[in-house]
Amino acid sequence: QVQLVQSGAEVKKPGASVKVSCKASGYTFSDYYIHWLRQATGQGLEWMGWIDPNSGGTNLAQRFQGTVIMTRDASMNTVYMELSSLRSDDTAVYYCARVTVALPYAKDFDYWGQGTLVTVSS
Amino acid sequence: DIQMTQSPSSLSASGGDRVTITCRASQTISRNLNWYQQKPGKAPNLLIAMTSDLRSGVPSRFSGSGSGTDFTLTISSLQPEDFATYYCQQSYTIPITFGQGTRLEMK
Repeated sequence: QVQLVQSGAEVKKPGASVKVSCKASGYTFSDYYIHWLRQATGQGLEWMGWIDPNSGGTNLAQRFQGTVIMTRDASMNTVYMELSSLRSDDTAVYYCARVTVALPYAKDFDYWGQGTLVTVSS
Repeated sequence: DIQMTQSPSSLSASGGDRVTITCRASQTISRNLNWYQQKPGKAPNLLIAMTSDLRSGVPSRFSGSGSGTDFTLTISSLQPEDFATYYCQQSYTIPITFGQGTRLEMK
């Protein structure tokens, strides 16, 4: 069965960086784009960007360009999202999500990681 | 960016009720509209893709309609497990955007 398993909760100080991992299993890793989204407590969902696990290519939302790097390790079936220059308003649950079909234009998500809480506090 | 606006923001209803949630896009998105259900502490779950395509395993009491800028999610007869927050999402273009959510509460 398809699973996305994310790394555990993190507590970071303002200005630091955090790297969240998302390990995929149960399907061909390279076939499906993975997107990252986040959700602050009690708030809605915010899309951050996607990574193509095959090529490593990425597309980031404008507000995250310069602070987010998405990478993958195909040998480990794992994608990573690194967010730098953390601020208190980056405190949120971060999700990885797989698109529904193995096509580049797919932008709906049928499998999600369990979420990783990142807390930014001095 | 395409703005997605849901209404209402919250809704109180009883088991067996028929409820409708509306989602409006700030520009046309054809039928590229998806609906998710989210329960506390859990990741969102895709219910309906492309306006009206019910995902496998989703009960038939859920349905979606619309096109262009106006869309609806309807639950025909509320069950206890349906009390949750619902989000619409446009998959027409990048950046992907979501509605602010509709919290469905038990009356």
